[in-house]
Amino acid sequence: GAGVSQSPSNKVTEKGKDVELRCDPISGHTALYWYRQSLGQGLEFLIYFQGNSAPDKSGLPSDRFSAERTGGSVSTLTIQRTQQEDSAVYLCASSLQGDGGELFFGEGSRLTVL
Amino acid sequence: DQQVKQNSPSLSVQEGRISILNCDYTNSMFDYFLWYKKYPAEGPTFLISISSIKDKNEDGRFTVFLNKSAKHLSLHIVPSQPGDSAVYFCAATASNYQLIWGAGTKLIIKP
Repeated sequence: GAGVSQSPSNKVTEKGKDVELRCDPISGHTALYWYRQSLGQGLEFLIYFQGNSAPDKSGLPSDRFSAERTGGSVSTLTIQRTQQEDSAVYLCASSLQGDGGELFFGEGSRLTVL
Repeated sequence: DQQVKQNSPSLSVQEGRISILNCDYTNSMFDYFLWYKKYPAEGPTFLISISSIKDKNEDGRFTVFLNKSAKHLSLHIVPSQPGDSAVYFCAATASNYQLIWGAGTKLIIKP
């Protein structure tokens, strides 16, 4: 597809379970970002990948959160032992270059932890 | 500490009138500002941006004004249309990849 693709679009899980969220960025985009948006909040930065450089993980809220990007393309965000406060929309975005310019967002994965 | 603030959670404007969305920031190192628009169940889409070397940028019905001394920017939509109803996010960056986002303002255009 032409845009950023995320899956699943909706995920309901029980507290304590692990979840994986997937992002397919736009082909050729070297930069990939994960954000999350909790109810009534702005977008919260989680992690940033740029090419083959080491990712910036400074936004990950706890060590239960991890992300990887294989082959410079697809990325997976993993949340272990989910908690209710992890409930949010997780948004992935890509850009041609990681210069803080225009980001292209996916539609997000809505996570609900019961 | 919120570096980017959108103090109005929502705004209601009559169709055809001007919509003004405001954004304040605290970090004087920010040098590039962006506005994104978000419809329900969709990701945000880029709308318009402005560099700190400018004080105005215009694109069709959308104009962004930057007042560096006041650390304030605003998005003007003229005339407002029903399709403009969405949540608008202000974001800022300091010449790096990390965007700092406001909490968003929900704009409702009344027919």
